[in-house]
Amino acid sequence: DVKVTQSSRYLVKRTGEKVFLECVQDMDHENMFWYRQDPGLGLRLIYFSYDVKMKEKGDIPEGYSVSREKKERFSLILESASTNQTSMYLCASRGQASYNEQFFGPGTRLTVL
Amino acid sequence: GQNIDQPTEMTATEGAIVQINCTYQTSGFNGLFWYQQHAGEAPTFLSYNVLDGLEEKGRFSSFLSRSKGYSYLLLKELQMKDSASYLCAVSRYGGATNKLIFGTGTLLAVQP
Repeated sequence: DVKVTQSSRYLVKRTGEKVFLECVQDMDHENMFWYRQDPGLGLRLIYFSYDVKMKEKGDIPEGYSVSREKKERFSLILESASTNQTSMYLCASRGQASYNEQFFGPGTRLTVL
Repeated sequence: GQNIDQPTEMTATEGAIVQINCTYQTSGFNGLFWYQQHAGEAPTFLSYNVLDGLEEKGRFSSFLSRSKGYSYLLLKELQMKDSASYLCAVSRYGGATNKLIFGTGTLLAVQP
């Protein structure tokens, strides 16, 4: 059974803290994605990676960075957390073919106080 | 630019049929996905259309018209467990890989 896991389901941090969100997939997928999901705004793409050490900005990359040192792991970093980064963060992975669906992790509910 | 529209909320009765519409405007269109998301859970894949026409998969069907920028998800024989958000997502060619652009989702409430 395919699986995408995320390091935490719930996380509470303070303004200015550095935050790491980890995502691991066991499907040997080339592509991995980080989204945030907010009420009324839907899922918005922050960053994605199409290969190890390769990354591209999504639609809302400001305030975030990413790291992909190994194929199975994709990390989202909030260099200095702010209250407007309070959100649900979802990681996803996908194979190479255009018809391949994205498989999502369970999500991390991040609250920044 | 790109834009995806779907109704915010819908209500239907158990055993009935419901159609959730999605309209889109985008460049580099490379297919359309529907996902289901129960409250507090991750989205799960329902269907993919890249050619015009209807794709049927059990109680769920999805239709695409590329010329009209229109898709719908049809749910038959509704069950209470179908209460969820339904996300329309357009796949776009973009850089090194395809990216999904999501609509804001349609919250479906199935009533007894």
